[in-house]
Amino acid sequence: DGGITQSPKYLFRKEGQNVTLSCEQNLNHDAMYWYRQDPGQGLRLIYYSQIVNDFQKGDIAEGYSVSREKKESFPLTVTSAQKNPTAFYLCASSTHGGFNQPQHFGDGTRLSIL
Amino acid sequence: AQTVTQSQPEMSVQEAETVTLSCTYDTSESDYYLFWYKQPPSRQMILVIRQEAYKQQNATENRFSVNFQKAAKSFSLKISDSQLGDAAMYFCASNGGATNKLIFGTGTLLAVQP
Repeated sequence: DGGITQSPKYLFRKEGQNVTLSCEQNLNHDAMYWYRQDPGQGLRLIYYSQIVNDFQKGDIAEGYSVSREKKESFPLTVTSAQKNPTAFYLCASSTHGGFNQPQHFGDGTRLSIL
Repeated sequence: AQTVTQSQPEMSVQEAETVTLSCTYDTSESDYYLFWYKQPPSRQMILVIRQEAYKQQNATENRFSVNFQKAAKSFSLKISDSQLGDAAMYFCASNGGATNKLIFGTGTLLAVQP
């Protein structure tokens, strides 16, 4: 079945450590997105990529980095510069980056600080 | 800047009854889409319904329909014949412009009473 796979489901980070969240899709979608969800808030866009080897910052990119070396993969690294990383992270994809394309979401990764 | 506002943090409905969730938005884009996403306890984001701003006819998907008032920048979701499986957090979102960046509201938690 086609879909978006995020791993791991739960992740713990130590102080000063970088961690990487995986997002893989087999929908043959060009565009991929990373969102952060905090309690009582909606999703906020961290980074997005409309095509391989290209990505742009979203509204809250500070302390995060991404790469898009393959069409099906869009990993997110939470760096030690992100001082409040505890949140639920959702990856999404769409056929292309046009605004008429609905986004499909993975099941998310919950990141916590040890 | 685009904003999306959901003024009802929580709502409750009896099974088989009808409930309406409210959403207002603000955008400077000339064309855009509006979405309702459902997030059950599993935390996956599921697209419920979408509406293109240029279309005057309100979108309908089975028991879900919207009341889109473009001049008032209002986009409410009506759920008819509510079922226990409809219990979830519901997010309103909008996009527009050259990219598919979604702006989310803070959500409405819907409880369905048997």
